[in-house]
Amino acid sequence: DSGVTQTPKHLITATGQRVTLRCSPRSGDLSVYWYQQSLDQGLQFLIQYYNGEERAKGNILERFSAQQFPDLHSELNLSSLELGDSALYFCASSGLMTVASGNTIYFGEGSWLTVV
Amino acid sequence: QQQVKQSPQSLIVQKGGISIINCAYENTAFDYFPWYQQFPGKGPALLIAIRPDVSEKKEGRFTISFNKSAKQFSLHIMDSQPGDSATYFCAARSANFGNEKLTFGTGTRLTIIP
Repeated sequence: DSGVTQTPKHLITATGQRVTLRCSPRSGDLSVYWYQQSLDQGLQFLIQYYNGEERAKGNILERFSAQQFPDLHSELNLSSLELGDSALYFCASSGLMTVASGNTIYFGEGSWLTVV
Repeated sequence: QQQVKQSPQSLIVQKGGISIINCAYENTAFDYFPWYQQFPGKGPALLIAIRPDVSEKKEGRFTISFNKSAKQFSLHIMDSQPGDSATYFCAARSANFGNEKLTFGTGTRLTIIP
């Protein structure tokens, strides 16, 4: 158990709909990352938040948005869903990386999204 | 832009053999290189990691070899077991502000056959 909790584990929804994926980071971790993994694809970085502020942005579509709340949990909002958005969405968390510590990034079990 | 290149895409190794997966990176700002193991339906889990100030790190049957000048690193799994069958991802990250995210390779699907 990594300590990163994601809900829901599975979600089936129709094209054009909107869903929200939720993530609770490990206790004490201030950074939250969202990754997308499509079938037989690698892990694509979407966005990072640190202590409530956006820290880095990757290949995140304009239809997608995220936020990190004061209690450090994060939500990834996916709207106007398309068939191609079907994927496994991972949340990960870490403390602030330093040159000395390296700091491991821990992944949750993921949220399976199927768009039909 | 693919900043971390990983090969091979898939690998089949006999039980007891050595599994070798290679990665190369481009960004010289990277200073932390972990390997993650992922089983089907599960999240990636940290296996072993190395910093560029050492050339090799060993943890049990898993060894990372690091060549800073060539910007390459590899994972060696000694005495490979069927339980090692999984997808392995190399990754890299930097301590620089805004670059703490992990940049992953494309993954290697490892199958250990009896």
